Amino acid sequence: EAQVTQNPRYLITVTGKKLTVTCSQNMNHEYMSWYRQDPGLGLRQIYYSMNVEVTDKGDVPEGYKVSRKEKRNFPLILESPSPNQTSLYFCASRGTGRTGELFFGEGSRLTVL
Amino acid sequence: AQTVTQSQPEMSVQEAETVTLSCTYDTSENNYYLFWYKQPPSRQMILVIRQEAYKQQNATENRFSVNFQKAAKSFSLKISDSQLGDTAMYFCAFGNAGNMLTFGGGTRLMVKP
Repeated sequence: EAQVTQNPRYLITVTGKKLTVTCSQNMNHEYMSWYRQDPGLGLRQIYYSMNVEVTDKGDVPEGYKVSRKEKRNFPLILESPSPNQTSLYFCASRGTGRTGELFFGEGSRLTVL
Repeated sequence: AQTVTQSQPEMSVQEAETVTLSCTYDTSENNYYLFWYKQPPSRQMILVIRQEAYKQQNATENRFSVNFQKAAKSFSLKISDSQLGDTAMYFCAFGNAGNMLTFGGGTRLMVKP
């Protein structure tokens, strides 16, 4: 089954404790992206990657890091989480072609105390 | 930078009736793509419909259709014969050649029996 898998789905952590949200897709997609969803603001892009070893900043990259060492994986790293990073996070992937459908993971609810 | 505005934070409609969700966007680009995504209570993001800006014909997918007005930068979604399962958050999104996808703030739609 074609899917984007994120882990963990739910996480409560404390300020400053490094965490990683993993994302993996099994569709051999070149393009992968991270979004955060906040009430009234919709989804805002954090980082995206056009292919292995190629990453670019989105609209709200501050406080986040990503890496793309393998095509299927695109982890989101919060080196020193802060309460304003409490949000719902989505990973998404897309195949070649700009009109290709974005496939989303099921979301990761992160709370930073 | 592109902006996407959904001016209706919440809407409701009676089952079997028709509802239109509004979306406007601002861009200086000529080639782009527009999308409507649905997010039911499960949080999963589901593509409802997409429109290429170079196509004059409005996209249609079963009960879902769009009214794309390029000059006015408007991209509304019409849901005909509303069903209880259409209850969800709906996001309008703009995609450009740079592979950024910009989302509106969302419209929460409630279908009433």
